[in-house]
Amino acid sequence: GESVGLHLPTLSVQEGDNSIINCAYSNSASDYFIWYKQESGKGPQFIIDIRSNMDKRQGQRVTVLLNKTVKHLSLQIAATQPGDSAVYFCAENMGNAGGTSYGKLTFGQGTILTVHP
Amino acid sequence: SAVISQKPSRDICQRGTSLTIQCQVDSQVTMMFWYRQQPGQSLTLIATANQGSEATYESGFVIDKFPISRPNLTFSTLTVSNMSPEDSSIYLCSVEPTASTDTQYFGPGTRLTVL
Repeated sequence: GESVGLHLPTLSVQEGDNSIINCAYSNSASDYFIWYKQESGKGPQFIIDIRSNMDKRQGQRVTVLLNKTVKHLSLQIAATQPGDSAVYFCAENMGNAGGTSYGKLTFGQGTILTVHP
Repeated sequence: SAVISQKPSRDICQRGTSLTIQCQVDSQVTMMFWYRQQPGQSLTLIATANQGSEATYESGFVIDKFPISRPNLTFSTLTVSNMSPEDSSIYLCSVEPTASTDTQYFGPGTRLTVL
C-alpha cells in the first residue's frame, strides 16, 4: 500500500511502553482540539477531544493535555499495543471565532507511531 | 457517531477527465465537509458542503475545479474536474452530527490516482 511515512515525524516504542505524541497548534483563538488516528488505507478515527477551558482529559488508555500558554497539545497512550501503530493527527477548531470558517478543522502534520512487539 | 460511506473507494483516471465521489451518512447531520490528503501529507479542508445552497470553499479551492452538491442532510458529492496528476490524493468527507459539539467524523476516503 501507499506509504504515508515519507514526510512525517516518527515515534517508535516497545509494546507495553507509554507513548507521548506532541502537537504545536497555530491559533490562540482555537477553542476545541481533537486527536485522530489514521491507519493505512482508512479515514481518520476520532480518539479524544478537549475544549480550551480544560487542561487535561482522560479516556480509555489515552490522555490529552492542553497547554494554552505555549499552544501545545499532547496525546499520551498508556501500555501501547501493536494495534496502536498508525499516523496520529491533532486538529484545532476556532469555533465561532473563525467567522465564516465555523466548524473548520485545521490539521497538524501528523506523527507516525510504530509499536514493536 | 455516524456511519459514513464513500464511493468509489479508489479509482485510476486519465488526465482531463472528471470523477464524482459520493458520501452517504446513515443519519441526518448538520455539517458535511470535504478534505484532501495528498500523499504523505496531512488533511486540508476543501469546502463545507451546505444543504440547499452553494458550498463554502477554502482558500486555494474553487467551485469550477471541485463542484460540490448537497441535496439533503445525508448525502453529498464532490467532483474533481479536468484532472491532472497533481490531483492524485485521498479525498475524505467528514460530518459533524451535532452542531453544538464541533466533533467531526470521517469516512473511509476515496483514493484517486490520475495518470
